[in-house]
Amino acid sequence: SQQGEEDPQALSIQEGENATMNCSYKTSINNLQWYRQNSGRGLVHLILIRSNEREKHSGRLRVTLDTSKKSSSLLITASRAADTASYFCATDGSGGGADGLTFGKGTHLIIQP
Amino acid sequence: DTEVTQTPKHLVMGMTNKKSLKCEQHMGHRAMYWYKQKAKKPPELMFVYSYEKLSINESVPSRFSPECPNSSLLNLHLHALQPEDSALYLCASSPWGGWGNEQFFGPGTRLTVL
Repeated sequence: SQQGEEDPQALSIQEGENATMNCSYKTSINNLQWYRQNSGRGLVHLILIRSNEREKHSGRLRVTLDTSKKSSSLLITASRAADTASYFCATDGSGGGADGLTFGKGTHLIIQP
Repeated sequence: DTEVTQTPKHLVMGMTNKKSLKCEQHMGHRAMYWYKQKAKKPPELMFVYSYEKLSINESVPSRFSPECPNSSLLNLHLHALQPEDSALYLCASSPWGGWGNEQFFGPGTRLTVL
């Protein structure tokens, strides 16, 4: 079963606004990562947050992690049209399975110009 | 070279065909992965090659078989596929196996099974 569940599944905002996406997961984790995917292409790594971290920043991205609630959020500030994409959270080290990531369902973000 | 390449970009095959997907990286990464992604769904892990050891997602049918000729190359051999196997097949690599690795993805091969 999927580890991460994104919320919302789709989000449409105006350029310049902030976009917030949430991810919940079920089992304990070592790390949580966020990836972006443009229209059926490969995924691009955005940020990794470790289980002992609560917040991390990278440029216009801010990620939080609450292990007590098993949830994470991704904030994109000052959105641009180029941010239009699907965003996935992904966990590893969960479920005792093979190396590799377990992805959430994803949030499809549309930035209106 | 900091990218993962995949060939072909598109593949159409019949259910009786045998074909192969190819993935290559020259970043010296020690782990490579195959994922399958259906439309509007997240990627699902199929196989992992990590330090020359293969790990298999047990839900993957035997009509998919991976091959790792060397540490830079990962092939996925396809045989007797079904129409429901039509999907985007993504290859990825990471510096090492295990946890806490950023994965670098290729652009994918879009497979259609007729």
